[in-house]
Amino acid sequence: NAGVMQNPRHLVRRRGQEARLRCSPMKGHSHVYWYRQLPEEGLKFMVYLQKENIIDESGMPKERFSAEFPKEGPSILRIQQVVRGDSAAYFCASSPTGTGLTDTQYFGPGTRLTVL
Amino acid sequence: DAKTTQPPSMDCAEGRAANLPCNHSTISGNEYVYWYRQIHSQGPQYIIHGLKNNETNEMASLIITEDRKSSTLILPHATLRDTAVYYCIVRDPPQRGKLTFGQGTILTVHP
Repeated sequence: NAGVMQNPRHLVRRRGQEARLRCSPMKGHSHVYWYRQLPEEGLKFMVYLQKENIIDESGMPKERFSAEFPKEGPSILRIQQVVRGDSAAYFCASSPTGTGLTDTQYFGPGTRLTVL
Repeated sequence: DAKTTQPPSMDCAEGRAANLPCNHSTISGNEYVYWYRQIHSQGPQYIIHGLKNNETNEMASLIITEDRKSSTLILPHATLRDTAVYYCIVRDPPQRGKLTFGQGTILTVHP
């Protein structure tokens, strides 16, 4: 019963490069959420996706960040032209349906992005 | 979002019960209380949730006051591995899907 999987676990990029973070939800889960944790700060919601749909992107920075969850394959969080301020831990969570008040999110181990 | 207030830190002796309080005085009638913890930069781990009745699972117990304005998470026999940041979250129905994390309580379990 595999949990939420994220890869890579650690990612190093130079300023201006692109970062792609992948998230495979738990089996049977069709809803994915991305959160970011900046150094010494709390977890902040970024985006909520269902298969092929973005449900809520209210926490996504307006530029350079995008997310997708295709019909097949993992969810991808893409950061273009990374800057040092993007260095953070990025966590993915998944839930079975996303529609119930009692729907529970389960988190992956995170990807730690370091921008040099 | 209903706001939660937690003490910034607490200590507990190994083997003793850890009682972590949370105030959520503005909670509305259909909002659930969720507890997560984060152990040393790992991904947050779901612990338990409840609406108005007390809840218990293999990890912890959740006691919610009758007026629902506060709750207590109880770890019955704390171990060193329970040292973590504990987050109390109230789920806001119009923004379902989104969890809003506060600063949480840093629980340190001592030998």
